Amino acid sequence: SQQGEEDPQALSIQEGENATMNCSYKTSINNLQWYRQNSGRGLVHLILIRSNEREKHSGRLRVTLDTSKKSSSLLITASRAADTASYFCARNFGNEKLTFGTGTRLTIIP
Amino acid sequence: DSGVTQTPKHLITATGQRVTLRCSPRSGDLSVYWYQQSLDQGLQFLIQYYNGEERAKGNILERFSAQQFPDLHSELNLSSLELGDSALYFCASSVAAGRDGYTFGSGTRLTVV
Repeated sequence: SQQGEEDPQALSIQEGENATMNCSYKTSINNLQWYRQNSGRGLVHLILIRSNEREKHSGRLRVTLDTSKKSSSLLITASRAADTASYFCARNFGNEKLTFGTGTRLTIIP
Repeated sequence: DSGVTQTPKHLITATGQRVTLRCSPRSGDLSVYWYQQSLDQGLQFLIQYYNGEERAKGNILERFSAQQFPDLHSELNLSSLELGDSALYFCASSVAAGRDGYTFGSGTRLTVV
């Protein structure tokens, strides 16, 4: 399918550590976006990276995109308990809708 | 408050019934998207409207239908409900379809009993 994979499915780290989540896709993208979802709540847009960009930063977030490997990663530095959530990457394949994966469940242990 | 309003927040109904979920997009956004999120599932795209017209269709069942009205609010109609339709239904909106981020509502949790 066009969706590809997200890994890991679940990640638990100690507060203050860095968290890295990965997202892959199978066909060319227009852009790739990352979202956060707290349990049972709506998704919150974190960052968008376009196909001609390689890296973007937003606060403690760093997103990279490797179009040759068809993969992206989201790094959260100096994690906090409030970062506990599910994180989704969403792929835009040039049409107008976003295709979401099943996400990574991140747990920050105080 | 994200600016996208979904009502109701919770809905419990019996199998075979019909329900309507409502969404008001963020001011200025012309695109509205509906997604379904089941337990342990990712978000499944259902349908998109842009300025009143259907723009894209995903894995939407024939029992489901949607529309966007002139004031840009949208409704998702679910009929002949089955237990498997129990899920979170999200509406999202955006300014420029696909080129910017979505703003999501807080969702409607539908429980079919």
